[in-house]
Amino acid sequence: EDQVTQSPEALRLQEGESSSLNCSYTVSGLRGLFWYRQDPGKGPEFLFTLYSAGEEKEKERLKATLTKKESFLHITAPKPEDSATYLCAVQGVETSGSRLTFGEGTQLTVNP
Amino acid sequence: KAGVTQTPRYLIKTRGQQVTLSCSPISGHRSVSWYQQTPGQGLQFLFEYFSETQRNKGNFPGRFSGRQFSNSRSEMNVSTLELGDSALYLCASSLLSGVKETQYFGPGTRLLVL
Repeated sequence: EDQVTQSPEALRLQEGESSSLNCSYTVSGLRGLFWYRQDPGKGPEFLFTLYSAGEEKEKERLKATLTKKESFLHITAPKPEDSATYLCAVQGVETSGSRLTFGEGTQLTVNP
Repeated sequence: KAGVTQTPRYLIKTRGQQVTLSCSPISGHRSVSWYQQTPGQGLQFLFEYFSETQRNKGNFPGRFSGRQFSNSRSEMNVSTLELGDSALYLCASSLLSGVKETQYFGPGTRLLVL
């Protein structure tokens, strides 16, 4: 069974204070790891997909990296508008269809 | 290109009633998945439909059911509502199923059961 654990549960940063969010996963074989951003009362917004260890992707102030056991979402010089819940999800090779297994998320607050 | 749309956005029901939620995927997408999101359980997979066939099912009771139409639009139904069914129900679509495809989520339907 695929499992995802995210840490920390909540993170408060000052504007400009860089940090990283962690996503540890257990799958028999990884088909893909996904990062989403979710604002209160809205659906998750797609950020990145990573497929193999060593892969990195960037978008504005965000950079996602992947190892064989975990993924990191690095936030460089965050702004208040980066405040949201960040969700990590995996698809294992033994998962049929498009089913995603999600972690509980990290609630990020960036203070001005 | 229009995103995933869900209707209604908000719904209030009482225990014992049934409810039907609708999802229109991104144009051209053939896979539709449904998830339930609650503060205590996070995002939990309900089921996936691809080409009008249920492809995968999560660990939910039989009161939760769904279907997909020939235009890829999907509906989910919850019968005999319980207080614990209060949640945000999210629909996600992808082009295909079972391959390296990204799922895109709709805004969700907020269901409150009284």
